[in-house]
Amino acid sequence: ETGVTQTPRHLVMGMTNKKSLKCEQHLGHNAMYWYKQSAKKPLELMFVYSLEERVENNSVPSRFSPECPNSSHLFLHLHTLQPEDSALYLCASSQVIRDEQYFGPGTRLTVT
Amino acid sequence: KQEVTQIPAALSVPEGENLVLNCSFTDSAIYNLQWFRQDPGKGLTSLLLIQSSQREQTSGRLNASLDKSSGRSTLYIAASQPGDSATYLCAVASRGFGNEKLTFGTGTRLTIIP
Repeated sequence: ETGVTQTPRHLVMGMTNKKSLKCEQHLGHNAMYWYKQSAKKPLELMFVYSLEERVENNSVPSRFSPECPNSSHLFLHLHTLQPEDSALYLCASSQVIRDEQYFGPGTRLTVT
Repeated sequence: KQEVTQIPAALSVPEGENLVLNCSFTDSAIYNLQWFRQDPGKGLTSLLLIQSSQREQTSGRLNASLDKSSGRSTLYIAASQPGDSATYLCAVASRGFGNEKLTFGTGTRLTIIP
């Protein structure tokens, strides 16, 4: 058990749907991250939050919208996704930026 | 732009053997390097983190080394066991957008044959 939980674990959505991914960390960390893992590609960093403020996004399309209401919770709001957005979405946290990152189990997203 | 390469992409060895996984990176200006394991369909488990000022870190049967100047790291696994079968990912933290960017390799898929 890593102390970082993600829900749902699996999600199938149509291209016109709106859904949200949730991440919660129980480690008292101050930084949280969203990553995308596509088949046969390296993990791609999407968003970084430090003390609930977005550091910057990594040129992620606007159909992905992150939200960090407090240091323990991170959301990824999804709308009008494309089939190529199907991937494993991983959340991570660290005490501070540059510190060791701890990952959640991921949400397997399929866009139909 | 930082690029991380892991070779080989896949490796199969008999149980009990010692093995080495390789990681190379193009920009030596890193803050740290982290090794993870990922089981199929699951998230990542952190194994070892080496700060840029360190040469190696050890945890149980695992030993990771870092040669920052040559842009290389190795993960040594002693006395391999079937439970070690997983994909091993190397990631380097270097300056990117904001304060830090973690760049991952594509991983080495390790299979330990009983």
